[in-house]
Amino acid sequence: NAGVTQTPKFRILKIGQSMTLQCTQDMNHNYMYWYRQDPGMGLKLIYYSVGAGITDKGEVPNGYNVSRSTTEDFPLRLELAAPSQTSVYFCASSEQGSTGELFFGEGSRLTVL
Amino acid sequence: GENVEQHPSTLSVQEGDSAVIKCTYSDSASNYFPWYKQELGKRPQLIIDIRSNVGEKKDQRIAVTLNKTAKHFSLHITETQPEDSAVYFCAAHNYGQNFVFGPGTRLSVLP
Repeated sequence: NAGVTQTPKFRILKIGQSMTLQCTQDMNHNYMYWYRQDPGMGLKLIYYSVGAGITDKGEVPNGYNVSRSTTEDFPLRLELAAPSQTSVYFCASSEQGSTGELFFGEGSRLTVL
Repeated sequence: GENVEQHPSTLSVQEGDSAVIKCTYSDSASNYFPWYKQELGKRPQLIIDIRSNVGEKKDQRIAVTLNKTAKHFSLHITETQPEDSAVYFCAAHNYGQNFVFGPGTRLSVLP
């Protein structure tokens, strides 16, 4: 099993550009999450999904969008990138959702200039 | 909503000493408390967790204690080794909600 795979690992964007962070998992987990990690701030939940076709906002959803057309894939879309979106993004999945281990991807470092 | 505080933000210990990291949470309904370790440039990984019906859990050199009345839980690492150097995150969760993470503690184990 590859686990949770994220691409790209690094990306530099100009202000106003758009991009999609890809996330796929091969563990057949229903629950998937997108977090952002800023220095000294821990992990903040952007969006999550409890199954294909279902998505919901987390703590910091503004400026982002997601979709969940399959169990495996959970892409994160950034529209009109802003410097405040410079961060490290982690995708994660879990089997049990509420009380299960989170399996994280390797992270995607995004810089908006 | 849930709020998780974590202290200290940085911690340096000599190799072989013990390290303790403390977290407090605000929502008394939270019932699951995991700890994640993140090495430099790597992804967070679960190292130990505890549920609200248990007061203490141990796994080799790592232990977690939970005080539901005071709403705090702690990570204890004994006989620290250089490979324990990392950022440690606590989190709190209750059924139907999502994980809320603490801001992290950077542990440095000095040789």
